[in-house]
This record gives sequence, structure tokens and C-alpha cells, in this order.
Amino acid sequence: DVVMTQTPPSLSVAIGQSVSISCKSSQSLVHSDGKTYLNWLLQNPGQSPKRLIYQVSNLGSGVPDRFSGTGSEKDFTLKISRVEAEDLGVYHCVQATHVPYTFGAGTKLELK
Amino acid sequence: QVQLKETGPGLVQPTQTLSITCTVSGFSLTSYYMQWVRQTPGKGLEWMGFIRSGGSTEYNSEFKSRLSISRDTSKNQVFLKMNSLKTEDTGVYYCARGAFAYWGQGTLVTVSS
Repeated sequence: DVVMTQTPPSLSVAIGQSVSISCKSSQSLVHSDGKTYLNWLLQNPGQSPKRLIYQVSNLGSGVPDRFSGTGSEKDFTLKISRVEAEDLGVYHCVQATHVPYTFGAGTKLELK
Repeated sequence: QVQLKETGPGLVQPTQTLSITCTVSGFSLTSYYMQWVRQTPGKGLEWMGFIRSGGSTEYNSEFKSRLSISRDTSKNQVFLKMNSLKTEDTGVYYCARGAFAYWGQGTLVTVSS
């Protein structure tokens, strides 16, 4: 199974600050169709996960453009510019290239 | 608009079978694959399996021997059945559409005698 390693496990931020979260996979996430199926999800407290980014860098529907995703092969980054209060929660990366799909352990974003 | 809602039993006894229904609206199950994901205190988010738009299935081998995913397209429902439940199966079970684009609210399942 592909292991997804997320760092850091937690982040303490001030509103308006920019942050980055890293996600590294144990295998390349490039699918045989040439696409890279790496997604980023946000789970606000008490809520279901919500998809922010799909295929590394594509913004999900209704997601503010202060979120951006970059990366390739085995190394990926989610950047949040100008953190807002609604951004607090747990961020997960999830790969959907190899079955079984696998999730990172999460990065908890908290207010400083 | 797209909506997904899971309904489950809440409490299940160890060794028993879990049955959860995901009822969807705003799209057709014949156009999208549907996933099941669970979130447990011990392992966090775990992908369980999916059913493709054409009806074929794929499972996480972690659950394969005791998991079944099916659907009734006429009722816009997707089903999860898992047998031989253990206390470690306690958690929130979600259905999600396609590449995790939409999620249900989740249903809490507690495995306890």
C-alpha cells in the first residue's frame, strides 16, 4: 500500500498568515493514464471532509483561491495564503492513483 | 443540488453484520462511482472501497473478506455491508462521490455488546 506522510502534524497560525503543508508518498502517484490523483481535503471540527484540491493543483468547486496545490511524483504541497478562521481544522492528503487509496494522517491547523 | 446521506444502525454488537445505506440526489449513480470511507479513532480516515458507474466494485484488501458494496440505481441508493464486526470497527462511515468531490454527513457506528 502507498504510505502518505504528512508534515507537520499540527500548525499554529495567526489569521492572515500563510502556511504550507507537505505530503510525501512512498511511490510515484503518476497513474498509467498520465494523471496524478492527489487530493487535499479539509475537515472542519465536527464536519465531514471537504475536497479542496484534486489532481495536485485543481481547485475544487467553490474553494477560495487562497488555497493552492503543487507538486509531482512523490512530493506535494498545499499552501494557504492569508489564513481565515474558517480554514481551521484538519487537512488530509489522499491518493487515488493506486488501490487501496490511502490518506495522510492529517495536519491540524489551529489558531495561535 | 448534489446531496448524499448515510443511514446506519448506530449500535451493532460484535460479530454481527453492519448495513449502511447512502441515499443520493442531484445526480445519477450510473454516471459516477461512489466510495465508502470510514474514520476510526485508531486509524483515522480509511478507504474501504467503491462501486463504479457501471456497477463493478473494488475493495480495500484490509476489508475484502467481509465487505460488500452494492447499489439500487432505481432508488438512488448505495449499500455497504460488513460482517464479523469488531470493536475496532467503531467509527464514522461516509459515502463520497467520485474523486471525493462530495461527502455525506457520515453515520456513527458503535460496535459494542
